[in-house]
Amino acid sequence: DAGVTQSPTHLIKTRGQQVTLRCSPKSGHDTVSWYQQALGQGPQFIFQYYEEEERQRGNFPDRFSGHQFPNYSSELNVNALLLGDSALYLCASSLDRVTTRIINEQFFGPGTRLTVL
Amino acid sequence: SQQGEEDPQALSIQEGENATMNCSYKTSINNLQWYRQNSGRGLVHLILIRSNEREKHSGRLRVTLDTSKKSSSLLITASRAADTASYFCATGVHAGGTSYGKLTFGQGTILTVHP
Repeated sequence: DAGVTQSPTHLIKTRGQQVTLRCSPKSGHDTVSWYQQALGQGPQFIFQYYEEEERQRGNFPDRFSGHQFPNYSSELNVNALLLGDSALYLCASSLDRVTTRIINEQFFGPGTRLTVL
Repeated sequence: SQQGEEDPQALSIQEGENATMNCSYKTSINNLQWYRQNSGRGLVHLILIRSNEREKHSGRLRVTLDTSKKSSSLLITASRAADTASYFCATGVHAGGTSYGKLTFGQGTILTVHP
Protein backbone atom coordinates (compact mmCIF):
# COMPACT_ATOMS: atom_id res chain seq x y z
CA ASP A 1 0.00 0.00 0.00
CA ALA A 2 1.77 3.13 -1.23
CA GLY A 3 1.90 6.06 1.11
CA VAL A 4 1.90 9.69 0.12
CA THR A 5 4.43 10.46 -2.58
CA GLN A 6 5.81 13.82 -3.63
CA SER A 7 7.96 14.99 -6.48
CA PRO A 8 10.50 16.31 -6.97
CA THR A 9 12.54 15.72 -3.81
CA HIS A 10 14.62 18.85 -4.22
CA LEU A 11 14.27 21.89 -6.40
CA ILE A 12 16.38 25.00 -6.91
CA LYS A 13 14.83 28.05 -8.52
CA THR A 14 15.69 31.73 -8.84
CA ARG A 15 13.62 34.67 -7.74
CA GLY A 16 10.72 35.47 -10.03
CA GLN A 17 10.43 31.98 -11.44
CA GLN A 18 7.46 29.68 -11.11
CA VAL A 19 7.41 26.19 -9.63
CA THR A 20 5.03 23.22 -9.62
CA LEU A 21 5.15 20.55 -6.94
CA ARG A 22 3.25 17.29 -7.17
CA CYS A 23 1.62 14.97 -4.68
CA SER A 24 -0.08 11.59 -4.89
CA PRO A 25 -2.23 10.75 -1.87
CA LYS A 26 -2.24 7.52 0.06
CA SER A 27 -4.35 4.86 -1.56
CA GLY A 28 -8.01 5.32 -0.64
CA HIS A 29 -7.64 8.93 0.43
CA ASP A 30 -9.54 11.72 -1.26
CA THR A 31 -8.35 14.89 0.45
CA VAL A 32 -5.00 16.61 -0.02
CA SER A 33 -3.57 19.38 2.11
CA TRP A 34 -0.41 21.37 1.51
CA TYR A 35 1.87 22.80 4.17
CA GLN A 36 4.95 24.99 4.12
CA GLN A 37 7.65 24.38 6.70
CA ALA A 38 10.40 26.96 7.07
CA LEU A 39 13.64 25.90 8.72
CA GLY A 40 13.23 25.46 12.46
CA GLN A 41 9.49 26.05 12.36
CA GLY A 42 6.39 23.92 12.43
CA PRO A 43 4.43 23.36 9.21
CA GLN A 44 1.98 26.07 8.17
CA PHE A 45 -1.24 25.23 6.37
CA ILE A 46 -1.44 26.54 2.80
CA PHE A 47 -4.68 25.03 1.50
CA GLN A 48 -6.71 21.87 1.20
CA TYR A 49 -8.33 20.25 -1.82
CA TYR A 50 -11.35 18.01 -1.83
CA GLU A 51 -13.45 16.97 -4.82
CA GLU A 52 -11.11 18.95 -7.08
CA GLU A 53 -11.86 22.21 -5.31
CA GLU A 54 -10.00 24.32 -2.82
CA ARG A 55 -11.97 23.86 0.37
CA GLN A 56 -9.94 25.85 2.83
CA ARG A 57 -7.01 28.22 2.64
CA GLY A 58 -4.43 29.46 5.09
CA ASN A 59 -2.80 32.85 5.20
CA PHE A 60 -0.86 32.63 1.96
CA PRO A 61 -0.90 35.06 -0.99
CA ASP A 62 -2.53 34.32 -4.33
CA ARG A 63 0.90 33.45 -5.73
CA PHE A 64 0.21 30.08 -4.16
CA SER A 65 -2.34 28.10 -6.10
CA GLY A 66 -3.23 24.49 -6.48
CA HIS A 67 -5.16 21.88 -8.30
CA GLN A 68 -6.60 18.47 -7.60
CA PHE A 69 -7.16 15.94 -10.33
CA PRO A 70 -9.91 13.32 -10.65
CA ASN A 71 -7.51 10.66 -9.36
CA TYR A 72 -7.09 12.79 -6.18
CA SER A 73 -3.49 13.72 -6.92
CA SER A 74 -2.63 17.36 -6.48
CA GLU A 75 -0.28 20.11 -7.59
CA LEU A 76 0.97 23.17 -5.77
CA ASN A 77 2.02 26.09 -7.93
CA VAL A 78 3.98 29.08 -6.70
CA ASN A 79 4.45 32.08 -8.99
CA ALA A 80 6.92 34.94 -8.78
CA LEU A 81 9.13 33.12 -6.30
CA LEU A 82 10.63 35.06 -3.43
CA LEU A 83 13.64 34.18 -1.31
CA GLY A 84 11.24 33.67 1.58
CA ASP A 85 9.50 30.86 -0.28
CA SER A 86 12.49 28.63 0.40
CA ALA A 87 11.11 25.85 2.58
CA LEU A 88 10.09 22.24 2.82
CA TYR A 89 6.70 21.78 1.18
CA LEU A 90 4.69 18.96 2.63
CA CYS A 91 1.65 17.27 1.21
CA ALA A 92 -0.75 15.39 3.46
CA SER A 93 -3.63 13.16 2.53
CA SER A 94 -6.64 12.03 4.47
CA LEU A 95 -10.03 10.47 4.01
CA ASP A 96 -12.78 12.98 4.45
CA ARG A 97 -15.93 11.93 6.20
CA VAL A 98 -18.14 14.73 5.05
CA THR A 99 -21.29 13.61 6.72
CA THR A 100 -19.78 13.46 10.18
CA ARG A 101 -17.18 16.16 9.64
CA ILE A 102 -14.65 14.12 11.55
CA ILE A 103 -11.06 15.14 11.10
CA ASN A 104 -9.09 12.06 10.43
CA GLU A 105 -5.42 11.34 10.59
CA GLN A 106 -3.41 13.15 8.00
CA PHE A 107 -0.55 11.21 6.45
CA PHE A 108 2.37 13.22 5.18
CA GLY A 109 4.68 12.70 2.26
CA PRO A 110 8.47 13.12 2.44
CA GLY A 111 8.26 16.69 1.22
CA THR A 112 9.87 18.76 -1.52
CA ARG A 113 12.77 20.95 -0.47
CA LEU A 114 12.53 24.20 -2.45
CA THR A 115 15.49 26.58 -2.50
CA VAL A 116 15.04 30.00 -4.07
CA LEU A 117 18.25 31.82 -4.96
CA SER B 1 0.23 31.65 12.99
CA GLN B 2 1.14 28.85 15.37
CA GLN B 3 -1.67 27.55 17.52
CA GLY B 4 0.33 25.36 19.82
CA GLU B 5 3.49 25.77 21.75
CA GLU B 6 5.65 22.83 22.66
CA ASP B 7 7.66 22.72 25.81
CA PRO B 8 10.55 22.24 26.12
CA GLN B 9 12.01 23.46 22.84
CA ALA B 10 14.81 20.93 23.20
CA LEU B 11 15.23 17.84 25.36
CA SER B 12 18.35 15.73 25.78
CA ILE B 13 18.20 12.37 27.59
CA GLN B 14 19.96 9.03 27.84
CA GLU B 15 18.68 5.81 26.29
CA GLY B 16 16.26 4.06 28.57
CA GLU B 17 14.96 7.24 30.16
CA ASN B 18 11.47 8.57 29.63
CA ALA B 19 10.85 11.69 27.58
CA THR B 20 7.93 14.01 28.21
CA MET B 21 6.91 16.78 25.86
CA ASN B 22 4.10 19.22 26.45
CA CYS B 23 1.89 21.13 24.10
CA SER B 24 -0.40 24.04 24.83
CA TYR B 25 -2.94 25.51 22.48
CA LYS B 26 -5.26 28.48 22.41
CA THR B 27 -8.63 27.68 20.85
CA SER B 28 -11.13 24.89 21.29
CA ILE B 29 -10.22 21.82 19.31
CA ASN B 30 -11.75 18.71 17.83
CA ASN B 31 -8.62 16.61 18.07
CA LEU B 32 -4.91 16.80 18.70
CA GLN B 33 -2.31 14.82 16.82
CA TRP B 34 1.36 14.19 17.50
CA TYR B 35 3.90 13.82 14.73
CA ARG B 36 7.58 12.95 14.53
CA GLN B 37 9.99 14.40 11.99
CA ASN B 38 13.50 13.16 11.33
CA SER B 39 16.07 15.63 10.01
CA GLY B 40 13.73 17.89 8.06
CA ARG B 41 12.00 15.04 6.27
CA GLY B 42 8.33 14.13 6.14
CA LEU B 43 6.15 13.95 9.22
CA VAL B 44 5.27 10.57 10.67
CA HIS B 45 1.89 10.36 12.37
CA LEU B 46 2.19 9.00 15.90
CA ILE B 47 -1.15 9.28 17.58
CA LEU B 48 -4.47 11.13 17.42
CA ILE B 49 -6.52 11.94 20.49
CA ARG B 50 -10.02 13.36 20.21
CA SER B 51 -11.34 16.12 22.40
CA ASN B 52 -13.58 13.72 24.34
CA GLU B 53 -10.64 11.46 25.22
CA ARG B 54 -8.29 12.03 28.13
CA GLU B 55 -5.56 9.48 27.53
CA LYS B 56 -4.39 7.25 24.75
CA HIS B 57 -1.62 4.68 24.41
CA SER B 58 0.27 3.32 21.46
CA GLY B 59 3.24 1.09 22.16
CA ARG B 60 5.77 3.14 24.12
CA LEU B 61 3.75 6.31 23.58
CA ARG B 62 1.27 7.77 26.01
CA VAL B 63 -0.68 10.91 25.20
CA THR B 64 -2.86 12.87 27.58
CA LEU B 65 -5.24 15.67 26.80
CA ASP B 66 -6.63 18.23 29.21
CA THR B 67 -9.12 20.39 27.36
CA SER B 68 -9.80 22.53 30.43
CA LYS B 69 -6.15 23.56 30.49
CA LYS B 70 -5.82 23.42 26.69
CA SER B 71 -2.78 21.22 26.99
CA SER B 72 -1.48 17.83 25.97
CA SER B 73 1.55 15.77 26.80
CA LEU B 74 3.43 13.07 24.94
CA LEU B 75 5.37 10.55 26.98
CA ILE B 76 7.86 8.23 25.32
CA THR B 77 8.91 5.48 27.68
CA ALA B 78 12.22 3.62 27.59
CA SER B 79 13.57 5.92 24.90
CA ARG B 80 15.97 4.70 22.20
CA ALA B 81 18.54 6.51 20.10
CA ALA B 82 16.19 6.00 17.14
CA ASP B 83 13.63 8.23 18.89
CA THR B 84 15.90 11.21 18.21
CA ALA B 85 13.75 13.57 16.14
CA SER B 86 11.58 16.66 16.30
CA TYR B 87 8.13 16.15 17.75
CA PHE B 88 5.15 18.32 16.85
CA CYS B 89 1.68 18.62 18.17
CA ALA B 90 -1.02 19.66 15.75
CA THR B 91 -4.55 20.69 16.53
CA GLY B 92 -7.63 20.19 14.42
CA VAL B 93 -10.57 22.51 14.82
CA HIS B 94 -14.15 21.65 14.11
CA ALA B 95 -15.72 25.07 13.89
CA GLY B 96 -19.07 24.45 12.29
CA GLY B 97 -17.40 22.41 9.63
CA THR B 98 -15.45 25.31 8.20
CA SER B 99 -12.10 24.43 9.67
CA TYR B 100 -12.12 20.68 9.42
CA GLY B 101 -9.03 19.24 7.87
CA LYS B 102 -6.71 22.09 8.69
CA LEU B 103 -4.00 21.23 11.19
CA THR B 104 -2.26 23.95 13.14
CA PHE B 105 1.20 23.00 14.32
CA GLY B 106 3.38 24.15 17.16
CA GLN B 107 7.08 24.92 16.83
CA GLY B 108 8.14 21.46 17.94
CA THR B 109 10.39 19.87 20.52
CA ILE B 110 13.79 18.60 19.44
CA LEU B 111 14.47 15.34 21.26
CA THR B 112 17.98 13.92 21.40
CA VAL B 113 18.45 10.47 22.90
CA HIS B 114 22.08 9.60 23.64
CA PRO B 115 23.15 5.94 23.38
